[in-house]
Amino acid sequence: DAGVIQSPRHEVTEMGQEVTLRCKPISGHDYLFWYRQTMMRGLELLIYFNNNVPIDDSGMPEDRFSAKMPNASFSTLKIQPSEPRDSAVYFCASSEINQPQHFGDGTRLSIL
Amino acid sequence: GENVEQHPSTLSVQEGDSAVIKCTYSDSASNYFPWYKQELGKGPQLIIDIRSNVGEKKDQRIAVTLNKTAKHFSLHITETQPEDSAVYFCAAGTNAGKSTFGDGTTLTVKP
Repeated sequence: DAGVIQSPRHEVTEMGQEVTLRCKPISGHDYLFWYRQTMMRGLELLIYFNNNVPIDDSGMPEDRFSAKMPNASFSTLKIQPSEPRDSAVYFCASSEINQPQHFGDGTRLSIL
Repeated sequence: GENVEQHPSTLSVQEGDSAVIKCTYSDSASNYFPWYKQELGKGPQLIIDIRSNVGEKKDQRIAVTLNKTAKHFSLHITETQPEDSAVYFCAAGTNAGKSTFGDGTTLTVKP
């Protein structure tokens, strides 16, 4: 299996621009998770889906962040408008029920 | 919600020595405890996990112990090697699907 695939690997953009991060989970996995990792706050769960339905979005920082999962093989995390404090590494992970999460290699986002 | 505390935040050992990382959790409903290793520029990767019906699990040089009464679990790495140097995360999860992660331990193995 190819594993969880995230794109882009790196994104540099100016404050105020819209940013879209993409994730392809492992085929057959029911759960999809979006995390944000920073030195200050560690690994934070932003939102997770079960069978394409958002289950818990309590970790989403504010209304500027939104996530969708239109089908079982694709999810997006969007930030609009972006701010410098959004700079971080964003990870997507997927899993089967009650099984370990498989992480992608992340998107390193820099907002100037 | 669940709260996971992980100690120490940094750990430095000589090659060949053992390393121990400890975690505590708060939610008695948690029943799944994975450990992840994160190398530079990569996402966390599962190295070992344990479920609440087991007290100890071992895989070659890596072992995990769980004390459900005290709500703590530990990762033990024996005969450490330089390639074990990485950030290690513990996590606690439930049947609901999500896991709460500790803050990570940066392990350095000196040759």
